[in-house]
Amino acid sequence: DIQMTQSPSTLSASVGDRVIITCRASQSISRWLAWYQQRPGKAPKVLIYQASTLESGVPSRFSGSGSGTEFTLTISSLQPDDFATYYCQQYNSFFRTFGQGTKVEIK
Amino acid sequence: QLVESGGGLVQPGGSLRLSCGASGFTFRSYAMNWVRQSPGKGLEWVSSISGSGGNTYIADSVKGRFTISRDNSKSTLYLQMNRLGAEDTAIYYCGVTSDKCDVWGQGTKVTVSP
Repeated sequence: DIQMTQSPSTLSASVGDRVIITCRASQSISRWLAWYQQRPGKAPKVLIYQASTLESGVPSRFSGSGSGTEFTLTISSLQPDDFATYYCQQYNSFFRTFGQGTKVEIK
Repeated sequence: QLVESGGGLVQPGGSLRLSCGASGFTFRSYAMNWVRQSPGKGLEWVSSISGSGGNTYIADSVKGRFTISRDNSKSTLYLQMNRLGAEDTAIYYCGVTSDKCDVWGQGTKVTVSP
């Protein structure tokens, strides 16, 4: 199975900060990677798919990059609505795997 | 739209069948998935099924106990869960593999407790 290693697990930041979350796959997944945002008590919401394509309706301060085994999610200027938990997920294979999650907290 | 149902409280060793009703897309054309999230934990993939239902995939953690299936005539996905244990307590989300990526429903809660 493909393992996804996401870091950091927790991130303390202030409104306006630039935030970067990384995700590493144990083997190449090409660009079959999605980023999700999850708020407490809610379902995961797609932010980015195919590594770098912004989902419709998602603010442009979110961006994704990478291919193969190394991926990043960047929030260019953190907003109050962005304090949540973020997950990467590979869908290169039917055997999906998720990163461990990154909780973005208010500093 | 995806709407999960069938969750609830079940005793250890019991069984439960989750359902996921789909609408707004051609159900039979898309692979479907189940993932779960234990209290305070991350997301764990459980199972996937191809559009025809002819191919299924299951996580090692539930292999031999859970079975995924679908009824394309009813646009419904199922997860049959047997021999449930405390470790299966979670919110279960169904998802569709769209042309972009996996998209998840709102989830149904399963609690395994005496």
